[in-house]
Amino acid sequence: AQSVTQLGSHVSVSEGALVLLRCNYSSSVPPYLFWYVQYPNQGLQLLLKYTTGATLVKGINGFEAEFKKSETSFHLTKPSAHMSDAAEYFCAAGNNAGGTSYGKLTFGQGTILTVHP
Amino acid sequence: NAGVMQNPRHLVRRRGQEARLRCSPMKGHSHVYWYRQLPEEGLKFMVYLQKENIIDESGMPKERFSAEFPKEGPSILRIQQVVRGDSAAYFCASSPGTSRNEQYFGPGTRLTVT
Repeated sequence: AQSVTQLGSHVSVSEGALVLLRCNYSSSVPPYLFWYVQYPNQGLQLLLKYTTGATLVKGINGFEAEFKKSETSFHLTKPSAHMSDAAEYFCAAGNNAGGTSYGKLTFGQGTILTVHP
Repeated sequence: NAGVMQNPRHLVRRRGQEARLRCSPMKGHSHVYWYRQLPEEGLKFMVYLQKENIIDESGMPKERFSAEFPKEGPSILRIQQVVRGDSAAYFCASSPGTSRNEQYFGPGTRLTVT
C-alpha cells in the first residue's frame, strides 16, 4: 500500500528565509508526486508535479521540488519566503502501478507554514 | 474555463438527515474524485468515478455513503442519516485522465452535523 509522510506538521520561517518542507513516500513503484497548497477555507491549488524526466521540478510562486528515488523523497523548497506563502502544504502521490486505484491520490498529513516578518 | 464547482459551500444538517453534495468538473474532464478532510488531518480518498461508472470506491464507508456521476449533470455524494462524525470538508477534484494528470480541486463543501 502506498503512503506519504510529511515530516513536521508545523514549520515556521522568517520572511526571506529558505523554506524546506519534507515529504517521503512509500511505494513499491515510484509514484507520480504532487505538491498542493491550501489557503484557509479554500480548495487545493497545484504547486508542481513530478511524473517522469527531470527530477528537479519547478512550480508556481517560486517553489521547486526534487525527486530523489534513492531517498524516496520529494521535498519542497523556496529560496526566500514571502508572507503570502503562509498556508498549509500537502504532498500527494498518484499510483503508477495500474489497477483500479490508478486514479486516486494519497495525501500526507499536511504541513502548516508560518512566515514571520 | 471555469474551475471545479461545488455546492453548497456550507451545509448544516441535523443528525439523521440526508446530505447531498454536488460537484461539476472542469469542462472536458471526465474523471471525478471525492476526498474528505477531517479537522487537522490530510485529505482521504473516498471514491473515483467516470461518467456513469464507479471505478474505485475503496475509501467509501460501507454504509450510508453513496456517489454517482450521471451521464448528464453533476456528480453527487450522498450521505444518509448523517452523524456528528460526518462533519468535515468534502472536496471534489477532476482530471482529464488518470494518475499522471494532476487533479483540480473545487473549493469544498463544509458539512456540519448538529
